[in-house]
Amino acid sequence: NAGVMQNPRHLVRRRGQEARLRCSPMKGHSHVYWYRQLPEEGLKFMVYLQKENIIDESGMPKERFSAEFPKEGPSILRIQQVVRGDSAAYFCASSPRDSDEQYFGPGTRLTVT
Amino acid sequence: AQSVTQLGSHVSVSEGALVLLRCNYSSSVPPYLFWYVQYPNQGLQLLLKYTSAATLVKGINGFEAEFKKSETSFHLTKPSAHMSDAAEYFCAVIGGGYQKVTFGTGTKLQVIP
Repeated sequence: NAGVMQNPRHLVRRRGQEARLRCSPMKGHSHVYWYRQLPEEGLKFMVYLQKENIIDESGMPKERFSAEFPKEGPSILRIQQVVRGDSAAYFCASSPRDSDEQYFGPGTRLTVT
Repeated sequence: AQSVTQLGSHVSVSEGALVLLRCNYSSSVPPYLFWYVQYPNQGLQLLLKYTSAATLVKGINGFEAEFKKSETSFHLTKPSAHMSDAAEYFCAVIGGGYQKVTFGTGTKLQVIP
């Protein structure tokens, strides 16, 4: 019974490149959430998705960031034209329907050089 | 809107001493409250949660928390600290119809031998 999986665990990108972060939710979970943790800060909500739907993206920066959760395959958080300020740990969480409990993945640590 | 405030970004206790990590919440609706623990370079693990049942909630690893509506608090305690408790602890709240989690800024617990 695998937990939430995220890959890669560490990602290094140069300024201006694209970063793609993947999240495979736990089996049977249809809800996915992305959070960002900046150094010395707590986790900030970015986006909440269900299969093929973005439910709430109020925490996503208006530009360069996008997220999807297709019918098949993992959820993807995509950051275009990365800048140094995007360096952070990005966590994905999943939950089943009608549950208040979110299960977190180990995170992807993005470093922009 | 919901929010949580964690008092003290760093707490140090001696091994065997009482652990007390403070969290106050603000919520316009009855809240669901959580404590998560994060070990270095890992994801978040749920310690315990309050969902309007018993006000004293017992979690994993000997931790417990008491929901006090009159004080809008949900402090985390453990009678006797262990070296393995050294980690960062996050208080979190859900409120308002779906599972968007709002996290506090975290408290780093140091356990001194």
